[in-house]
Amino acid sequence: EIVLTQSPGTLSLSPGERATLSCRASQSVNSNYLAWYQQKPGQAPRLLIYGASNRATGIPDRFSGSGSGTDFTLTISRLEPEDFAVYYCQQFGSSPPKWTFGQGTKVETK
Amino acid sequence: EVQLVESGGGLVQPGRSLRLSCAASGFTFDDYAMHWVRQAPGKGLEWVSGISWNSGRIGYADSVKGRFTISRDNAKKSLYLQMNSLRVEDTAFYYCAKGPDSTGHYERDNWFDPWGQGTLVTVSA
Repeated sequence: EIVLTQSPGTLSLSPGERATLSCRASQSVNSNYLAWYQQKPGQAPRLLIYGASNRATGIPDRFSGSGSGTDFTLTISRLEPEDFAVYYCQQFGSSPPKWTFGQGTKVETK
Repeated sequence: EVQLVESGGGLVQPGRSLRLSCAASGFTFDDYAMHWVRQAPGKGLEWVSGISWNSGRIGYADSVKGRFTISRDNAKKSLYLQMNSLRVEDTAFYYCAKGPDSTGHYERDNWFDPWGQGTLVTVSA
């Protein structure tokens, strides 16, 4: 089973700053099968990035995803007040079908 | 607009049963696979179960296999999760989520979008 480890656990930044979130897999992951979600308190997760680098519909271009193999990154170029939230990476393994999530990175206001 | 609305959560004693529902709208329900994902309060996300468009293929996480049953009614545009032999560790928000693959096979869904708002299941004596 592939384990996803996100770092840091908490990121303390100010609005306007750049956020860089890491997701490391215990084995190589097909980039097509790597996604990122944003979750705000009391809300469901929202898809941000799929296929490692593709923005979902309606996601602002300050969000970008990159990476391959075992190392993936979510970057928020300039933090807006509404971006302070928890972010999860997720991978899909096809044999057998299994979906696993990282433990999350909280982006909080400094 | 795609909407998913869960219902059926509540407080239940260990060993008892509960049935969750998810009402879908805004898309052709029987074209897509559907999933349940849960989140214990303050914790991370765990995929629970998925079902293909015609109920022909179904999968479960090991943690719920043999206790939970996923089903769907395409005529009612609804997804269900029958949870039996509930345990304290099943306490979580349960989200239904749509898969992106238009062939409707759950095992081809690389991600989930969108998710419903969730329903809370609390298992406690």
